[in-house]
Amino acid sequence: KAGVTQTPRYLIKTRGQQVTLSCSPISGHRSVSWYQQTPGQGLQFLFEYFSETQRNKGNFPGRFSGRQFSNSRSEMNVSTLELGDSALYLCASSLELAVQETQYFGPGTRLLVL
Amino acid sequence: GQNIDQPTEMTATEGAIVQINCTYQTSGFNGLFWYQQHAGEAPTFLSYNVLDGLEEKGRFSSFLSRSKGYSYLLLKELQMKDSASYLCAVRAGANNLFFGTGTRLTVIP
Repeated sequence: KAGVTQTPRYLIKTRGQQVTLSCSPISGHRSVSWYQQTPGQGLQFLFEYFSETQRNKGNFPGRFSGRQFSNSRSEMNVSTLELGDSALYLCASSLELAVQETQYFGPGTRLLVL
Repeated sequence: GQNIDQPTEMTATEGAIVQINCTYQTSGFNGLFWYQQHAGEAPTFLSYNVLDGLEEKGRFSSFLSRSKGYSYLLLKELQMKDSASYLCAVRAGANNLFFGTGTRLTVIP
């Protein structure tokens, strides 16, 4: 079974631009979560989608948004990019939206904002 | 808010045993996870604890004390490939997953 895939793997943008990242979960998984990883802050939760609905949201500004499609694939969008948005963005999928579900991470998209 | 603390770095010798501690203060608790992350790679699941006690899985074991807000990951018979960051994560609040900043373990010959 294929793992979680994310595209693109690397991205360079300039301040003020917007970016869309894509995540395809493991086949059969219905929940997709997004995280931002930076050296100083570690992994921080952005949001979780299940059945095309945002179920949980972390403490990030409204510039960060996402959506999930009927095939469980998810996209994350960041508008008006800032230098501090440079990070590794990780997507993780799990079977269901349950408290003890194990999440499986994709390889991430490394975003550099200049 | 949620607070999860782990040591930043640890060094251990090949063949030895190392214990990585994690303390947490969260509003609500729905389980604790340990993940391993090699440099430049995605985190991979190691263990899950929701009840007090020790969970053993091969060379890796994880312990949880909910009353103390404390967990540890025990790695036995260390191998060079165990050099990685180890992330403690607590599911709490509205079932969100909160990560510590990770412990970078270096295994030396």
